[in-house]
Amino acid sequence: SQQGEEDPQALSIQEGENATMNCSYKTSINNLQWYRQNSGRGLVHLILIRSNEREKHSGRLRVTLDTSKKSSSLLITASRAADTASYFCATSRTSGSRLTFGEGTQLTVNP
Amino acid sequence: GAVVSQHPSRVICKSGTSVKIECRSLDFQATTMFWYRQFPKQSLMLMATSNEGSKATYEQGVEKDKFLINHASLTLSTLTVTSAHPEDSSFYICSAIFPDRGEVGELFFGEGSRLTVL
Repeated sequence: SQQGEEDPQALSIQEGENATMNCSYKTSINNLQWYRQNSGRGLVHLILIRSNEREKHSGRLRVTLDTSKKSSSLLITASRAADTASYFCATSRTSGSRLTFGEGTQLTVNP
Repeated sequence: GAVVSQHPSRVICKSGTSVKIECRSLDFQATTMFWYRQFPKQSLMLMATSNEGSKATYEQGVEKDKFLINHASLTLSTLTVTSAHPEDSSFYICSAIFPDRGEVGELFFGEGSRLTVL
């Protein structure tokens, strides 16, 4: 079963704006990951944050994790049209175990 | 570059036929591969975990005889959809963990295979 819930389901912004996506989960986790999927393609790993971490950065990406609220957010700064894709969070209960994916957020960045 | 190759990317078949999808790890050995199914505009649903040299572990509700998984080598896992029906039409994606690449727990995905059953 999918334990991740993401909001919003769809987000449309203008190029240059920031995009924030949220993910909530139900059980305890070892780590939470964010993936990107272009339409009709496979998924690409963006960033992984462990349960003992609160914030992590990678380029224009910033991920936060609040284990007390069982939630995470992905911030994409200075968005580009090429960022248009679906973004999924995924949780893992133990290191290296299978991932459970959220429902995803469809991000559209308008040029 | 890609570390997981999936083939075919698209396949159309008649109802009642069987279709095999291959997932290969490139240059790395993958003792464990995961097969996911994705319906349009929906999330990924884990179907089974494929372990090299042993039987696959299927998720609840996934028919073992319908979706045959074989992980005969450290670089190849196959998913065979047997006696396919239109409701089996979907996007199937494989993934693998490579302990020596990426972060611990990071999955590497194939490009997916879109199956259309007429």
